[in-house]
Amino acid sequence: EPEVTQTPSHQVTQMGQEVILRCVPISNHLYFYWYRQILGQKVEFLVSFYNNEISEKSEIFDDQFSVERPDGSNFTLKIRSTKLEDSAMYFCASKQETQYFGPGTRLLVL
Amino acid sequence: GNSVTQMEGPVTLSEEAFLTINCTYTATGYPSLFWYVQYPGEGLQLLLKATKADDKGSNKGFEATYRKETTSFHLEKGSVQVSDSAVYFCALAERTGGGNKLTFGTGTQLKVEL
Repeated sequence: EPEVTQTPSHQVTQMGQEVILRCVPISNHLYFYWYRQILGQKVEFLVSFYNNEISEKSEIFDDQFSVERPDGSNFTLKIRSTKLEDSAMYFCASKQETQYFGPGTRLLVL
Repeated sequence: GNSVTQMEGPVTLSEEAFLTINCTYTATGYPSLFWYVQYPGEGLQLLLKATKADDKGSNKGFEATYRKETTSFHLEKGSVQVSDSAVYFCALAERTGGGNKLTFGTGTQLKVEL
């Protein structure tokens, strides 16, 4: 059964460093998403992406964040200058009719 | 805006007990409703969904009925197993437009004991 994959599974970084989280969506899906879940809190929408552009973004998704689909298979989330409060689990999802989620990347900013 | 409210956990049950996890929603349109499950150390898996009023979603013995009159989508299972221990998230997606972001509840942790 096709699935969404994410790398790395865990990442530790220093405050102020740039991180890139990678996702490979399910191959025939057209819509892509990033969500995050701060420890003990609800899953929050960050951004949706369709037809090579952002279709919607939340207030959380400020200028420090960007997304890209560089090669037709990968879908990346970049955080330009990480802050302590960016520590969270980041989930990628893709959709044809229903959203399917990857296993997540746990980001820890020190 | 849209919102989802779930009963707080953790919910602790004995094996074979009946499970109900309450979920109510607020939405401006006619959303699709979902239950996702997160097993320890894993990502979110779609458990079931319903796209219109009075639809019943079901999977793995779990059921939920889309009740427009009470804006609810309560999750039920007749006989839980230890392997059902996980965090359960209720979510909605507006059906307007292509993006259809999901709005999640806070999650309800279920612990099933022998």
